[in-house]
Amino acid sequence: GAVVSQHPSRVICKSGTSVKIECRSLDFQATTMFWYRQFPKQSLMLMATSNEGSKATYEQGVEKDKFLINHASLTLSTLTVTSAHPEDSSFYICSARSRVTSPLHFGNGTRLTVT
Amino acid sequence: AQKITQTQPGMFVQEKEAVTLDCTYDTSDPSYGLFWYKQPSSGEMIFLIYQGSYDQQNATEGRYSLNFQKARKSANLVISASQLGDSAMYFCAMREGPDNQGGKLIFGQGTELSVKP
Repeated sequence: GAVVSQHPSRVICKSGTSVKIECRSLDFQATTMFWYRQFPKQSLMLMATSNEGSKATYEQGVEKDKFLINHASLTLSTLTVTSAHPEDSSFYICSARSRVTSPLHFGNGTRLTVT
Repeated sequence: AQKITQTQPGMFVQEKEAVTLDCTYDTSDPSYGLFWYKQPSSGEMIFLIYQGSYDQQNATEGRYSLNFQKARKSANLVISASQLGDSAMYFCAMREGPDNQGGKLIFGQGTELSVKP
């Protein structure tokens, strides 16, 4: 089945630094990838839709200058959390679709802790 | 307003019994898709089952079936013969728009299922 790899799985960083999270589709080409954020015991909240070769579309309330998304190829999208604050600590999970009609396949998520 | 509602924060079921997880949705789009995902404590999201708005029959995948009641806008997940490994969070999700437009998924609040031995 379709595999999405997300790296790193866990990261701890200091306030004010930036963190990059990678999302790769390993065995298929993903023209669209989605980035979600999840707080403990809560639902997945869509942050942005990442389209290969174009600017990401951010959901209302998501700061695009803080959460930089780059989708440079059909198999790689990156989310960079800039100038991280403790309130950015969360579980970030990416997803990708191999064809427009197939279900989303998710990475294993990245647990970010900002100290 | 919530587009996807899961009213059961937590559910318990005895091993080998069946359990129904509720999901209601709200959309004015005639074309949409409904999904169920399982999220174990490790965090990964596992796709379980899909139902398209125009599908005539309820979707089934092994022990999972989707009780799709379009007029009531409900898409309940039924897990038959529960196993200990079914203990996890379960999310209902909806994609608005036609299948071939690859729209985003909106998730419900989730239901935490615990299977008792």
